[in-house]
Amino acid sequence: QKEVEQNSGPLSVPEGAIASLNCTYSDRGSQSFFWYRQYSGKSPELIMSIYSNGDKEDGRFTAQLNKASQYVSLLIRDSQPSDSATYLCAVKTSDSSYKLIFGSGTRLLVRP
Amino acid sequence: DGGITQSPKYLFRKEGQNVTLSCEQNLNHDAMYWYRQDPGQGLRLIYYSQIVNDFQKGDIAEGYSVSREKKESFPLTVTSAQKNPTAFYLCASSIQGPPNSPLHFGNGTRLTVT
Repeated sequence: QKEVEQNSGPLSVPEGAIASLNCTYSDRGSQSFFWYRQYSGKSPELIMSIYSNGDKEDGRFTAQLNKASQYVSLLIRDSQPSDSATYLCAVKTSDSSYKLIFGSGTRLLVRP
Repeated sequence: DGGITQSPKYLFRKEGQNVTLSCEQNLNHDAMYWYRQDPGQGLRLIYYSQIVNDFQKGDIAEGYSVSREKKESFPLTVTSAQKNPTAFYLCASSIQGPPNSPLHFGNGTRLTVT
């Protein structure tokens, strides 16, 4: 079983729609969760972090965390073509190493 | 400006040669990491270092070596023992300690071995 799982996509949404990206993880003790955006050929850039159950909003982005279900999601409201990228879910391990484990990413395509 | 500098951006080598990728940071971060990314894949951890003169293997350390002689620098050597070295290599750093500290990435080095 993979430690962090994401649907590879592509997820295709029309401009202005809500894009919903999902991620599950296996380390029940994990406390820190991150969403990175990666454009083709570029390095990942941090868009959201979340540590507590519930929702966390930042502009058009909302991260949702459910530790009981070991599930974290990212919602992008009013999607723009510039949001087209691969979104990587990352989970910090609960051991003392605090390694960051990445999912394989979901490719999002926003159609004009 | 504070950040992480990886060099070179593109690197071409012949099979059988060792090659060293540079990573320097001026963020005063204690922890540094090397990840590898293959096309259409996520990031896989090669090595990480939480403090100077100490480093640990990640999930795919075979065929790679690192050193951490200075806080600012964490070079990665891809040896001839690495069976499939062609990939995008990403260096990252973070504040050590707080579990909620994110990773900051350099711009990456794309290595092609023929």
